[in-house]
Amino acid sequence: GEDVEQSLFLSVREGDSSVINCTYTDSSSTYLYWYKQEPGAGLQLLTYIFSNMDMKQDQRLTVLLNKKDKHLSLRIADTQTGDSAIYFCAEPPNQAGTALIFGKGTTLSVSS
Amino acid sequence: KAGVTQTPRYLIKTRGQQVTLSCSPISGHRSVSWYQQTPGQGLQFLFEYFSETQRNKGNFPGRFSGRQFSNSRSEMNVSTLELGDSALYLCASSWDRGPGDEAFFGQGTRLTVV
Repeated sequence: GEDVEQSLFLSVREGDSSVINCTYTDSSSTYLYWYKQEPGAGLQLLTYIFSNMDMKQDQRLTVLLNKKDKHLSLRIADTQTGDSAIYFCAEPPNQAGTALIFGKGTTLSVSS
Repeated sequence: KAGVTQTPRYLIKTRGQQVTLSCSPISGHRSVSWYQQTPGQGLQFLFEYFSETQRNKGNFPGRFSGRQFSNSRSEMNVSTLELGDSALYLCASSWDRGPGDEAFFGQGTRLTVV
């Protein structure tokens, strides 16, 4: 079945890099997504990657995709306290439409 | 432009009651999806509506239902509420799920069942 797995917690110091990992199961996914949720807020799309790409960089964010291992990672360079949030990776299920399968989320805690 | 608006933001209901939540998508968006977020289960897909038709449905009991109006606004209804229905209910709108089409999320409705 479809499932997306993430580690639940990550703690880093301000200025360090953060790496959040995700594994997914549906090898036919054309896109993979990273969302951010701040306390009391909805989800915000951070970035996405096409399944035919290995890497995508967007300012402080770097997404790496290993299709063979079905592994996705999000690297945040120079992590700031404002980056503290829950990060979700998501993939579309194997059906048409806008539904997304989300991981349980990784809570990133940044200390100064 | 205005974002996705969900009303109400907070709701307290009693077991056995029913509840209706509302979602107004971004103007021009035709697709609305609903998700339930709980600490234990995370984010789970409820259903998706496109042009007034339910296009996809997640694995939730029939007590959970929804609809979409001609102006793309959507409502979801939960009947015979149970304690386990306490959750944050999020809706997301998008133009349509083409490649890379972004889903914009509302702030959610926090439902507490007592």
